[in-house]
Amino acid sequence: AQSVSQHNHHVILSEAASLELGCNYSYGGTVNLFWYVQYPGQHLQLLLKYFSGDPLVKGIKGFEAEFIKSKFSFNLRKPSVQWSDTAEYFCAVNTPYSSASKIIFGSGTRLSIRP
Amino acid sequence: SQTIHQWPATLVQPVGSPLSLECTVEGTSNPNLYWYRQAAGRGLQLLFYSVGIGQISSEVPQNLSASRPQDRQFILSSKKLLLSDSGFYLCAWSLPSTGTNYGYTFGSGTRLTVV
Repeated sequence: AQSVSQHNHHVILSEAASLELGCNYSYGGTVNLFWYVQYPGQHLQLLLKYFSGDPLVKGIKGFEAEFIKSKFSFNLRKPSVQWSDTAEYFCAVNTPYSSASKIIFGSGTRLSIRP
Repeated sequence: SQTIHQWPATLVQPVGSPLSLECTVEGTSNPNLYWYRQAAGRGLQLLFYSVGIGQISSEVPQNLSASRPQDRQFILSSKKLLLSDSGFYLCAWSLPSTGTNYGYTFGSGTRLTVV
């Protein structure tokens, strides 16, 4: 069965600091990978996704993630964070071509940005 | 455009009472539908998914059940609520899987407190 691990439960940074949130998944086959974000009081929304091709994926609001197949990782990065990036971030994985396209989520990382 | 509606937004129910949460999708046909529960520090746990009317798959044993009486309607139910059923419940939809090049779209969620 697939699983997703996010080792950082709570990350606190100052504005303009660089960000990297770790995500590792366990599944030996082809996967689709996602990062979702939930801003305080808002819906869960898609930040970026990887299906195939260039392993470096760029998403909204200056975020990017790199798929490293050999490490089963899909870490999220941003070179300079802003106070408005305060949110909870979820890494997720599913397997393409499955009948139900179930997405399995990690436990989430809460990001707090000090102004 | 597609929209997803989930209600109620907040619910406080006594232990032993029944539960019915409703989710409807507009603007698409034959969506895959999902119920997730979000618990603090535990991310999103997939409870049920459905690939068609009357087709329900359960991911974890629990006190809850799901039904899909219409193509774009997904209902989460319980006959007798337990304290452990408290949490934040999210409905989501995705296009039918033919390679799954799409993420999910989530509803706004229901905060259930069992007292």
